[in-house]
Amino acid sequence: GIQVEQSPPDLILQEGANSTLRCNFSDSVNNLQWFHQNPWGQLINLFYIPSGTKQNGRLSATTVATERYSLLYISSSQTTDSGVYFCAVPGANNLFFGTGTRLTVIP
Amino acid sequence: KAGVTQTPRYLIKTRGQQVTLSCSPISGHRSVSWYQQTPGQGLQFLFEYFSETQRNKGNFPGRFSGRQFSNSRSEMNVSTLELGDSALYLCASSLFRGQGIETQYFGPGTRLLVL
Repeated sequence: GIQVEQSPPDLILQEGANSTLRCNFSDSVNNLQWFHQNPWGQLINLFYIPSGTKQNGRLSATTVATERYSLLYISSSQTTDSGVYFCAVPGANNLFFGTGTRLTVIP
Repeated sequence: KAGVTQTPRYLIKTRGQQVTLSCSPISGHRSVSWYQQTPGQGLQFLFEYFSETQRNKGNFPGRFSGRQFSNSRSEMNVSTLELGDSALYLCASSLFRGQGIETQYFGPGTRLLVL
């Protein structure tokens, strides 16, 4: 299957700081999703971004499909941004998830 | 529109027992997928159902099975539970238009603890 790697594995930020999370994937893909897993385990859709750049409030994402990577930017982080961020890319019939970046935002 | 719902949310079982988890997809979504999440293995694909048929299966033993009903609701069953089956089981639904993987929307999960 497709290999998906995320970095960094852990990130601790002061509230208000900015951060960049990276997702590398091993094969050409026609789709990529970013998720935020909250402390209760729910995966929340952030972006569906096969290519280009999208923004949603303080979050934005960029996927460069030809170079097989995607970036998630979080600006002016808040404590509610804490959790694990996953990127996922499609195989033939299922998503392959990265190992996640655990973000902790401290007040 | 209501999201994906999963029941029960928490479950404690003992080794050797069996368990059935339920997932109701978003209204109008016809594809349901199941994933297992553990600290050691991360998020792994179990299987996907569409039109009451299993379309794809991940690399899990035959103790893991599932089904989908005509209203798109899905159940998964794990028989002869092992300690290693303790995990968060996530269900995802998506529209299916025959064009590969659609955007998937996840339920809150069922947290299973096997003692």
